[in-house]
Amino acid sequence: GAVVSQHPSWVICKSGTSVKIECRSLDFQATTMFWYRQFPKQSLMLMATSNEGSKATYEQGVEKDKFLINHASLTLSTLTVTSAHPEDSSFYICSARDWGRQETQYFGPGTRLLVL
Amino acid sequence: GEDVEQSLFLSVREGDSSVINCTYTDSSSTYLYWYKQEPGAGLQLLTYIFSNMDMKQDQRLTVLLNKKDKHLSLRIADTQTGDSAIYFCAEGFAGNNRKLIWGLGTSLAVNP
Repeated sequence: GAVVSQHPSWVICKSGTSVKIECRSLDFQATTMFWYRQFPKQSLMLMATSNEGSKATYEQGVEKDKFLINHASLTLSTLTVTSAHPEDSSFYICSARDWGRQETQYFGPGTRLLVL
Repeated sequence: GEDVEQSLFLSVREGDSSVINCTYTDSSSTYLYWYKQEPGAGLQLLTYIFSNMDMKQDQRLTVLLNKKDKHLSLRIADTQTGDSAIYFCAEGFAGNNRKLIWGLGTSLAVNP
């Protein structure tokens, strides 16, 4: 149980295009999902907290117009990197908090984004 | 402020025990977590401990919590090459949106 999937697992795109990453909780309901970014050999950087049916809460320094988050259902959140640039290349990881077990966050396998 | 610190590297021989240490500053945490990240992969929740506990054992894993010293450790018994990964310590707080505070991760290398 407690599986979180992400799609795609990797993506290469041209500079200026937008990329959408999906995060799904497969066997549990997630009222809260989190989006992280991880640079090589570094820890996770929380970008935003996403609650089902409401606007995401962004961390300081994260541009909400660039990183659009939609949490349309209890099992799906999406992160759209708009007008991607090479500096947006990174490993993006989502996590989901199980509604029934608030103390745990389960992580997706990550999406590697390379912007050329 | 909130801060979680870990040593960056640990190297052990296969079959030995590994002990990964973590210190934190915010004593109001509710849970403390250990996550494992293998190369190129997401994070796997290994175990977690409620802040009013001082020990939790789960098969080869033993978590010790010293709340007075704000020190958390993860002991892996009979370490195997498959245990080679980065181990992240994280502090969690009550409240639905309360984010986790992460350490930088300890890279564990297991040598045959």
